[in-house]
Amino acid sequence: EAQVTQNPRYLITVTGKKLTVTCSQNMNHEYMSWYRQDPGLGLRQIYYSMNVEVTDKGDVPEGYKVSRKEKRNFPLILESPSPNQTSLYFCASSPPTSGGGRNEQFFGPGTRLTVL
Amino acid sequence: GNSVTQMEGPVTLSEEAFLTINCTYTATGYPSLFWYVQYPGEGLQLLLKATKADDKGSNKGFEATYRKETTSFHLEKGSVQVSDSAVYFCARGGRGYQKVTFGTGTKLQVIP
Repeated sequence: EAQVTQNPRYLITVTGKKLTVTCSQNMNHEYMSWYRQDPGLGLRQIYYSMNVEVTDKGDVPEGYKVSRKEKRNFPLILESPSPNQTSLYFCASSPPTSGGGRNEQFFGPGTRLTVL
Repeated sequence: GNSVTQMEGPVTLSEEAFLTINCTYTATGYPSLFWYVQYPGEGLQLLLKATKADDKGSNKGFEATYRKETTSFHLEKGSVQVSDSAVYFCARGGRGYQKVTFGTGTKLQVIP
């Protein structure tokens, strides 16, 4: 089954304790992205990656890191989490434009993070 | 920069009522336009899309028409069901063909 998976689905942690949220897709998509969803603000892009070893900042990158060592994986790293990073996080991937999927994105199920 | 504005919710309708959720976008370039739906506890999934002016996207009884003259992409459904209760996001594509800008989402609640 074609899908985007995220782990963990739920995480409660404390301020300053490094954490990683994993994201993996099995559709051979080149483009992957991380978003956070907050009430009243919709989805805001954190980082995106056009391909392996190619990443760039989105609209709200502060406090986050990413890496893209393999095409299928795009982990989100919070080196020193703070309470304002409490949010619902989504990973997404997008097919190549040659497949007619211009801008269409496939989303993971989400990771609800609480930083105390 | 690119932006998407959609009507604030929540929207509460009775079953079989007509639904409209308004969405407007900034007109830079010729973006693709999308509606995504998020059911409770799930990630977003594509509902419909349109890639050029006057295109109509449709799926599951929902429709939206790409209106370049009014920079709008309003979502409509003639008869909503309880199972349509979800959050709906309007979105536009941007430069680099992969960048997507989302609206803030509109929560729809359909009551029996």
